[in-house]
Amino acid sequence: AQSVAQPEDQVNVAEGNPLTVKCTYSVSGNPYLFWYVQYPNRGLQFLLKYITGDNLVKGSYGFEAEFNKSQTSFHLKKPSALVSDSALYFCAVRDEASGGYNKLIFGAGTRLAVHP
Amino acid sequence: DTGVSQDPRHKITKRGQNVTFRCDPISEHNRLYWYRQTLGQGPEFLTYFQNEAQLEKSRLLSDRFSAERPKGSFSTLEIQRTEQGDSAMYLCASSSDRMNTEAFFGQGTRLTVV
Repeated sequence: AQSVAQPEDQVNVAEGNPLTVKCTYSVSGNPYLFWYVQYPNRGLQFLLKYITGDNLVKGSYGFEAEFNKSQTSFHLKKPSALVSDSALYFCAVRDEASGGYNKLIFGAGTRLAVHP
Repeated sequence: DTGVSQDPRHKITKRGQNVTFRCDPISEHNRLYWYRQTLGQGPEFLTYFQNEAQLEKSRLLSDRFSAERPKGSFSTLEIQRTEQGDSAMYLCASSSDRMNTEAFFGQGTRLTVV
């Protein structure tokens, strides 16, 4: 069965330090992977996606993600964290049976806390 | 274009009442989705529209739930005879039908059933 796992409920990092939010996936074919961010009482905002091509994907607000097929991972990274990056981050994979539309399978989310 | 718009933002209702939520997608998007998010979980897919046609419904969408998109623009999600377990954030998203485009989400409607 297809799935997404975010192994950390919370990640704590000091402002200015690099951050990593982990995501692993399970699909049978080639994955279509996404990262979204959710601020309190808000909807999800798209950060970046991997469809094909370069394994390092750059997205909004200085975030990037590295696709690793052998490890079935798609970790979110940022070289220097900001306090304003504190939010809930979701990794998602597109359902292979969806026929190309955005039926997404989400992980449970990781709360990122950036401390001054 | 102001993105995906949902109304109301919050709804408190008594158990057994019916509620209806509205979603206005990004204007040029012909694909529309509803998701449900409960506390501490990621969003779960409920249903998908291509224009006015409802092409997929999740098993999560019980008989008490109905979604429509009558003119291929805005959509409504109705829950009949609400139960406490229906309390959740209901998220609407839209996307174009170009290959591999991402979905854009609205701010959601938070439903509390008391």
